[in-house]
Amino acid sequence: KAGVTQTPRYLIKTRGQQVTLSCSPISGHRSVSWYQQTPGQGLQFLFEYFSETQRNKGNFPGRFSGRQFSNSRSEMNVSTLELGDSALYLCASSLRGHTEAFFGQGTRLTVV
Amino acid sequence: AQTVTQSQPEMSVQEAETVTLSCTYDTSESDYYLFWYKQPPSRQMILVIRQEAYKQQNATENRFSVNFQKAAKSFSLKISDSQLGDAAMYFCAYYQGGSEKLVFGKGTKLTVNP
Repeated sequence: KAGVTQTPRYLIKTRGQQVTLSCSPISGHRSVSWYQQTPGQGLQFLFEYFSETQRNKGNFPGRFSGRQFSNSRSEMNVSTLELGDSALYLCASSLRGHTEAFFGQGTRLTVV
Repeated sequence: AQTVTQSQPEMSVQEAETVTLSCTYDTSESDYYLFWYKQPPSRQMILVIRQEAYKQQNATENRFSVNFQKAAKSFSLKISDSQLGDAAMYFCAYYQGGSEKLVFGKGTKLTVNP
């Protein structure tokens, strides 16, 4: 059974650009959540989707958005990139909720 | 809001020895889940062990066990017979049904010395 797949693994963008990250959950999992990991702030929750509906959103500016497709794959988008957006972005999938969440290997975003 | 605190930024242990990582949390809820995740240099978060708050028995998974003290809101991880492959960042996390998110501690970097 394939695990959670995040693409791309690495990304370098310039300030002001926008970026889209992708997450394919484990087959059968309908919940996908996103986390931002930085050395200073640690792991912070971005948002969670279940069956194409956003159920919860973290305390991030509106530049951060996401969506989920009918096949449960999810994308997150960051517009008008800032240097502080440089981070590891992790995606997790689960059947329902977070009673057993499985993580992908993350996308390392560097904003220059 | 729920918070998770890991007071040990770094720990080290000799191979084959036992080490305990500490975690405390704050919540007013009675039904929740607690987790320990391992993040090796490969960056992928791996679930090590899970504890359901309503279960009094401490969870164990091979060399990994927890000491869950619900009244004290404490959830420590004990790693027995430490191996070089146990070296990683360890994160304590909290989940409450309906919140649809994990709340993480800042992590403890574990070094295993040969």
